[in-house]
Amino acid sequence: DTAVSQTPKYLVTQMGNDKSIKCEQNLGHDTMYWYKQDSKKFLKIMFSYNNKELIINETVPNRFSPKSPDKAHLNLHINSLELGDSAVYFCASSQDRGWQGGDSPLHFGNGTRLTVT
Amino acid sequence: AQSVTQPDIHITVSEGASLELRCNYSYGATPYLFWYVQSPGQGLQLLLKYFSGDTLVQGIKGFEAEFKRSQSSFNLRKPSVHWSDAAEYFCAVGPSKTSYDKVIFGPGTSLSVIP
Repeated sequence: DTAVSQTPKYLVTQMGNDKSIKCEQNLGHDTMYWYKQDSKKFLKIMFSYNNKELIINETVPNRFSPKSPDKAHLNLHINSLELGDSAVYFCASSQDRGWQGGDSPLHFGNGTRLTVT
Repeated sequence: AQSVTQPDIHITVSEGASLELRCNYSYGATPYLFWYVQSPGQGLQLLLKYFSGDTLVQGIKGFEAEFKRSQSSFNLRKPSVHWSDAAEYFCAVGPSKTSYDKVIFGPGTSLSVIP
């Protein structure tokens, strides 16, 4: 049983399109995240939700909009895609809010590789 | 501001040799420190973590790390590397329990293993 699952695994699209990435966790965690990993493998947090409440919102273009219908799901919608959006997007979850506490560190999905042409 | 540096972008070792991956951090207080591993096409998996107490921490897959406050370092070690250890390794520093700050990841070290 996959703990954090993302769909799709690969996403190839043209500039200007709108796309969504879905994430679900079955760990019962309260907090979920979106991270972006660029071509140099650098990981940067984009958003974090705790029990459907947005708690971290980094300097991300407003073309990116996260949505959390419930605490087990965190989706990422991207409008007007640009070449620079090409990256691997990781969803993650943790039991605690804002930090990795005790025996509940970040659990990552396998990523969605977005390619914008 | 918090930051994490991993001085080695890429390391190559022979199978069976020992390994040390370096990590240095900048943080205003005693940090929470982590090492994650990313295999090709996969997400990140936690290897080990340090919160307090014994400065030598043991993790999964035979890895260990030592926290040295005086050097602001948290280096990862393994006495004998296996070919399956080839992956990307990330050091990360986390916030305190009373802070809602973010976890900051280092730039990663890519490990290649020669059979």
